[in-house]
Amino acid sequence: DVKVTQSSRYLVKRTGEKVFLECVQDMDHENMFWYRQDPGLGLRLIYFSYDVKMKEKGDIPEGYSVSREKKERFSLILESASTNQTSMYLCASTDTYGYTFGSGTRLTVV
Amino acid sequence: GEDVEQSLFLSVREGDSSVINCTYTDSSSTYLYWYKQEPGAGLQLLTYIFSNMDMKQDQRLTVLLNKKDKHLSLRIADTQTGDSAIYFCAENLRGTYKYIFGTGTRLKVLA
Repeated sequence: DVKVTQSSRYLVKRTGEKVFLECVQDMDHENMFWYRQDPGLGLRLIYFSYDVKMKEKGDIPEGYSVSREKKERFSLILESASTNQTSMYLCASTDTYGYTFGSGTRLTVV
Repeated sequence: GEDVEQSLFLSVREGDSSVINCTYTDSSSTYLYWYKQEPGAGLQLLTYIFSNMDMKQDQRLTVLLNKKDKHLSLRIADTQTGDSAIYFCAENLRGTYKYIFGTGTRLKVLA
């Protein structure tokens, strides 16, 4: 089974902190994605990556950056966390059709 | 821009059929998908349909695609309490791996 692992299920951070959300996949997929999920808004794409060291902005990249130094790992970085970044963050990967998602990280910024 | 819309809630009785609807805007999508999200979990791929198909059946699941109206539906036969979840439809933009997701429909199955 393809596995996408997000390192934390729940995180609580303070406003202004730098936050790292980690995602690792074990199926050698080239394509990886970060979404945030908010009630009534569905999933919104933050950043995605088609290859190592390659990144592209999604629909809501402001306040975020990403890093892809190795094929299996895609990190989402909140440079200076704010309360409006409180959300569920979902990582996904794919190589053909259909994403495989991680279990999500619920981030609360206080 | 691209948009995918779903109603937010659906409630059905156990044993009845559920029909979850979705409309999309990008007529060039190659595949359309249905995902299920159980509480506290990520999204799980349920089924998908290629854009040149009208219907796909997979056990209790039936997907109908009306390309003219850009309408996608998911029918769950004999709905069970374990089907209670949020269901997302998604389309992928032709030539990319980028998906556009709907807002999700929360299905509640009443015993």
